[in-house]
Amino acid sequence: GAGVSQSPRYKVAKRGQDVALRCDPISGHVSLFWYQQALGQGPEFLTYFQNEAQLDKSGLPSDRFFAERPEGSVSTLKIQRTQQEDSAVYLCASSFHPQDPLYGYTFGSGTRLTVV
Amino acid sequence: DAKTTQPPSMDCAEGRAANLPCNHSTISGNEYVYWYRQIHSQGPQYIIHGLKNNETNEMASLIITEDRKSSTLILPHATLRDTAVYYCIVRESAGGGADGLTFGKGTHLIIQP
Repeated sequence: GAGVSQSPRYKVAKRGQDVALRCDPISGHVSLFWYQQALGQGPEFLTYFQNEAQLDKSGLPSDRFFAERPEGSVSTLKIQRTQQEDSAVYLCASSFHPQDPLYGYTFGSGTRLTVV
Repeated sequence: DAKTTQPPSMDCAEGRAANLPCNHSTISGNEYVYWYRQIHSQGPQYIIHGLKNNETNEMASLIITEDRKSSTLILPHATLRDTAVYYCIVRESAGGGADGLTFGKGTHLIIQP
């Protein structure tokens, strides 16, 4: 596709439920990032992939958060035993160049997760 | 923590130039200034970036002071569709890719009809 696609667009989960959020980056993009954006705040970095390798997961808030990109294209962010503080928009971004995205990252529209 | 300081909000009349300031007094020599914007319910959108020279593209102009401690994003003829949160970010261009962008809270620019 022409852009970064994320699904679902909206997700309501009961507290304690597991969720999986999907990101389809632009074809051929090597770098893939996940961000979390709480209401009224700027996006915050969660994790980074270069192809299938997860090179940085320092932003993941707890061990309930897990991300994978097994074939170096589609990525999934999984949140286990969701809690209310996990409610946020989860954004995915990709770029072609692995280290020097001089032309910027392309973001998806995000998945809005609401935990009730 | 964000390395930049921006006003929380600004208004601008439609058709006028919108000038968005950003302070980055601790910027280092190999760090670029990036600007992104986020329209409601969308992901951030790349606008422009620069190192020390002024830059212009089809979306905006970026003016960086000579000491590089501040910059201004200029939207030359603002339209209602430019209403968004604008983020100023400093980052090394070749940061290994592993360091994500640090967004801060940005400036909420409201274009008035």
